[in-house]
Amino acid sequence: GNSVTQMEGPVTLSEEAFLTINCTYTATGYPSLFWYVQYPGEGLQLLLKATKADDKGSNKGFEATYRKETTSFHLEKGSVQVSDSAVYFCALTTYSSASKIIFGSGTRLSIRP
Amino acid sequence: EAQVTQNPRYLITVTGKKLTVTCSQNMNHEYMSWYRQDPGLGLRQIYYSMNVEVTDKGDVPEGYKVSRKEKRNFPLILESPSPNQTSLYFCASSRGRGTEAFFGQGTRLTVV
Repeated sequence: GNSVTQMEGPVTLSEEAFLTINCTYTATGYPSLFWYVQYPGEGLQLLLKATKADDKGSNKGFEATYRKETTSFHLEKGSVQVSDSAVYFCALTTYSSASKIIFGSGTRLSIRP
Repeated sequence: EAQVTQNPRYLITVTGKKLTVTCSQNMNHEYMSWYRQDPGLGLRQIYYSMNVEVTDKGDVPEGYKVSRKEKRNFPLILESPSPNQTSLYFCASSRGRGTEAFFGQGTRLTVV
């Protein structure tokens, strides 16, 4: 079946540090890949997405590239800010799975000033 | 503003007292889903709907009901809540198969 494995947290970084959160997936067919972010007390917001191999999703300084050969979709940001502190979820969906989204376990990120 | 709206945001109830969590979306999306989020278990799909009057079970449907009488609304019904249904619930909608989902703000339910 389809699954998502992401880096366990929590991750604590200093402001302006480089961020990588690893995500790999298993899927039949050609999944669409997402990163969602959950700020404290809020719902999940779509951060970025990629729908086919080699696509790069980007938003708010975050980037992730759909790598079919390594089945990965790692999240990166060059210089994190305190406001980036949140829980990040890697996720996928496929055409055959209707509306179901498969989520990774989430990675809690804390940024120190 | 495009959004998914859930109500209530917080709810404390007693075992066995029927409750409904409402969900409404204003994006004319075909698909709607309910998820629950639990520590250590992540997000799991409860039910989903592909259109009006079309609903199906997700991964953890036991103890829940849904209905889709109108395209914009997808209420979650707990006929006889139990403490193991204490959780954070999210409603989501999406345009179609294989597309991203938009989530509501969540409903934190406590059953005592």
